[in-house]
Amino acid sequence: EIVLTQSPGTLSLSPGERATLSCRASQSVSSSYLAWYQQKPGQAPRLLIYGASSRATGIPDRFSGSGSGTDFTLTISRLEPEDFAVYYCQQYGSSQTFGQGTKVEIK
Amino acid sequence: QVQLVQSGSELKKPGASVKVSCKASGYTFTSYAMNWVRQAPGQGLEWMGWINTNTGNPTYAQGFTGRFVFSLDTSVSTAYLQISSLKAEDTAVYYCARDWGGWLHSPWGQGTLVTVSS
Repeated sequence: EIVLTQSPGTLSLSPGERATLSCRASQSVSSSYLAWYQQKPGQAPRLLIYGASSRATGIPDRFSGSGSGTDFTLTISRLEPEDFAVYYCQQYGSSQTFGQGTKVEIK
Repeated sequence: QVQLVQSGSELKKPGASVKVSCKASGYTFTSYAMNWVRQAPGQGLEWMGWINTNTGNPTYAQGFTGRFVFSLDTSVSTAYLQISSLKAEDTAVYYCARDWGGWLHSPWGQGTLVTVSS
């Protein structure tokens, strides 16, 4: 099973700042089958990024994904108030697993 | 629009069973598989498995065999999760999520909180 480790656990930032979230895999993720989900309190997760860097329908372009192999990054260029949430990475190249999440909180 | 609507919260005693429903609308139900994901209180996401909505064949992830059963009623575009012999550690929010393609989950149901307590 591929284990995904997300860092940091919590990111404290102000609106307008740039957020950089990391997801590291225990082995290479085939074909960059890496996705990112956003979960706000009391809500279901929502797909943001798939294929490491493709935005899902309706996702603003301030969200971007990058990386390959074992190291992946989600970047939010300028944090909006609605972006404060928990973000999960998911690999789906070898069955599927989720990371433990990174909470982006208001500083 | 594509939507998954789940049944409401449940409070069950240890040893009881529960059945959670997930009604799909806005697309052809049998064209996409359905996944189930568990989220324990304050914890992350745990994939439970999936069901082929064409054949009804379920696949369970490690740790979700035996007491967990996925089923369908295609006549009403609904997927079900049944959990038997409930334990306190089954307390969680259970989500259904359409398989958008290759294990991507979109959209998700709103979640069903199952609380197991005596």
